[in-house]
Amino acid sequence: GAGVSQTPSNKVTEKGKYVELRCDPISGHTALYWYRQSLGQGPEFLIYFQGTGAADDSGLPNDRFFAVRPEGSVSTLKIQRTERGDSAVYLCASSLTGGRFEQYFGPGTRLTVT
Amino acid sequence: GENVEQHPSTLSVQEGDSAVIKCTYSDSASNYFPWYKQELGKRPQLIIDIRSNVGEKKDQRIAVTLNKTAKHFSLHITETQPEDSAVYFCAATSGNTPLVFGKGTRLSVIA
Repeated sequence: GAGVSQTPSNKVTEKGKYVELRCDPISGHTALYWYRQSLGQGPEFLIYFQGTGAADDSGLPNDRFFAVRPEGSVSTLKIQRTERGDSAVYLCASSLTGGRFEQYFGPGTRLTVT
Repeated sequence: GENVEQHPSTLSVQEGDSAVIKCTYSDSASNYFPWYKQELGKRPQLIIDIRSNVGEKKDQRIAVTLNKTAKHFSLHITETQPEDSAVYFCAATSGNTPLVFGKGTRLSVIA
C-alpha cells in the first residue's frame, strides 16, 4: 500500500515568512509524528498526534511552531516568522497506534530559509 | 529524559566482513529499540527492532542484541555488501515517551 507522503519535497522561503508543511500518513495509522533532522544528526522529535489531538508537543522549539491534524489523518506543520536556523529536513512518521509500534517515515520536506 | 549514545560515528569495512554498531541508553523504562537505515537524500527505513522481552532478534544478515542490565543494544550486519552503505540510526522509547535517536553511524562497505 501507499506509504507516508509529504509535500512539498523542497521549500525555499525568505526569513520572516510563514510556511506550511503537509503530511499524509499511512491509511489506518492513528499515530502521527513530526521530526526535524539537521545535517549529520538523527531525527529530533517535535510533536506526536494520537488521532486528532496532540498527545505530546514537548519537542516544539518555540511558539513559532504549531501543528494540526483536524480529521485525524492529514497533518500540517506550520512555522511562523521563519528563521535561518529553521532550515532542516522535516520528517513525518506514522504508526498503527502510539507506544511501542513501528514508525514509518515519509520522504521529508527540505526547508531552506534564506 | 532519555539519552541515546551511538558508536562509532563512522565505520568502514571490506565487503563480506561483519559490521557492528553499538548504542547505549539512559532510561531504564525504555523497552522498544528500533534501527533505521538512511541512504543519502532518502527517508529513514526501519530495518529491525527489538522489544525488551527478548535478548536477540535476527533477520537474514541483520541481528540486534539487547542487554537491559547494561542498557545497551547493538546492530550486527554479516556478509556486508556495497548496498549496505548508508547511515544507521538506533533509537529508544518507553512507549510513553518520544522516540529518541542516536546521532547515527555512517557505514561504508568497500568492494
